[in-house]
Amino acid sequence: DVKVTQSSRYLVKRTGEKVFLECVQDMDHENMFWYRQDPGLGLRLIYFSYDVKMKEKGDIPEGYSVSREKKERFSLILESASTNQTSMYLCASSLLGTTEKLFFGSGTQLSVL
Amino acid sequence: GNSVTQMEGPVTLSEEAFLTINCTYTATGYPSLFWYVQYPGEGLQLLLKATKADDKGSNKGFEATYRKETTSFHLEKGSVQVSDSAVYFCALRRFRDDKIIFGKGTRLHILP
Repeated sequence: DVKVTQSSRYLVKRTGEKVFLECVQDMDHENMFWYRQDPGLGLRLIYFSYDVKMKEKGDIPEGYSVSREKKERFSLILESASTNQTSMYLCASSLLGTTEKLFFGSGTQLSVL
Repeated sequence: GNSVTQMEGPVTLSEEAFLTINCTYTATGYPSLFWYVQYPGEGLQLLLKATKADDKGSNKGFEATYRKETTSFHLEKGSVQVSDSAVYFCALRRFRDDKIIFGKGTRLHILP
């Protein structure tokens, strides 16, 4: 089975801190994605990557950056966390050319105080 | 633009009841359509999909038919179980960049 692992289930940070959310997949998928999930808004795409060192902005990239130094790892970075970035963050992966079948991690609930 | 609208939740049903969760879409052309399910404490997983008009996707007793006339992809199940309690997301593949766009989700509670 494909496994997408997010390093933390719950995270509490303070406003202004730099935050790293880590995601690792074990199935050699080329595509990796970061979404945020908010009540009443559903999932929104923040960033995605088709390959190592490659990244593209999704629909809501402001306040975020990403890093993909290795194929299996995709990191989401909050340069200076703010309270409106309190959310559930979901990482996903898929094979190149099959963006329709996404495999998701179980999520990181980030609270910014 | 491309978007998905699904019925507000939560939906509460008794075990063995018939389930319908409505989903309509707005998109360029005829996108692939999906239902994803998120069980408590887990990530989303693909439940079923349909890639063209009149296709029926099915899995685990759930079905959805791609209706281009009504731009709909309603999820149905004839007899729900307590284990079906989850959040259900309707989604489409956006034409311009192949990304998956999700609806807001519908929480389903099944009572024993």
